[in-house]
Amino acid sequence: DIQMTQSPSSLSASVGDRVTITCRASQSITSFLNWYQQKPGKAPKLLIYAASSLQSGVPSRFSGSGSGTDFTLTISSLQPEDFATYYCQQSYSGPFTFGPGTKVDIK
Amino acid sequence: EVQLVESGGGLVQPGGSLRLSCAASGFTFSTYGMTWVRQAPGKGLEWVASIKQDGSEKNYVDSVKGRFTISRDNAKNSLYLQMNSLRAEDTAVYYCVRGSGYRYPFYIWGQGTMVTVSS
Repeated sequence: DIQMTQSPSSLSASVGDRVTITCRASQSITSFLNWYQQKPGKAPKLLIYAASSLQSGVPSRFSGSGSGTDFTLTISSLQPEDFATYYCQQSYSGPFTFGPGTKVDIK
Repeated sequence: EVQLVESGGGLVQPGGSLRLSCAASGFTFSTYGMTWVRQAPGKGLEWVASIKQDGSEKNYVDSVKGRFTISRDNAKNSLYLQMNSLRAEDTAVYYCVRGSGYRYPFYIWGQGTMVTVSS
């Protein structure tokens, strides 16, 4: 099975900050890496697919990069509605594992 | 509007059974693979099972193999998860998700249904 790790597990940031979250796969997943945002009590929402493609309707301050085993999610200027938990997920091969999540909260 | 609505969750004793349902609308259900993803209280997301468009192929996470069965009824635009021999560690919110997971992201999620396994 492919293991996914994320760092940091949590971070505190201010509105307007640039935030970067990293995700690493235990083996190459080429570009089959997706990012989701989840707010408390809500279902996850797809932000980025195929490592760097922005899902329709997602603000352009979100971006993704990487390939192989190392990936990043960047929020260029953090907004109040961005405080949430972020998960990476590989869709390269089953079981389709998720990272443990990164909680972004208000500094 | 594309929508997935789960139902069937609740409280069940260890060793018991429960059947979850997911009603799909707003898209051609029969042309999409479907998936169940769960989230234990305060924990992360875990892929549980997926089924191809015609139901011909099903895949499961190891921890539920032999206990859970995913199925679908394309005539009723519905997805199901039959859960038997339930354990405390199956306690979670179960999400119905559009997509089979293989080489594609999980685009659309339902609101989830809570399953609690406890005596």
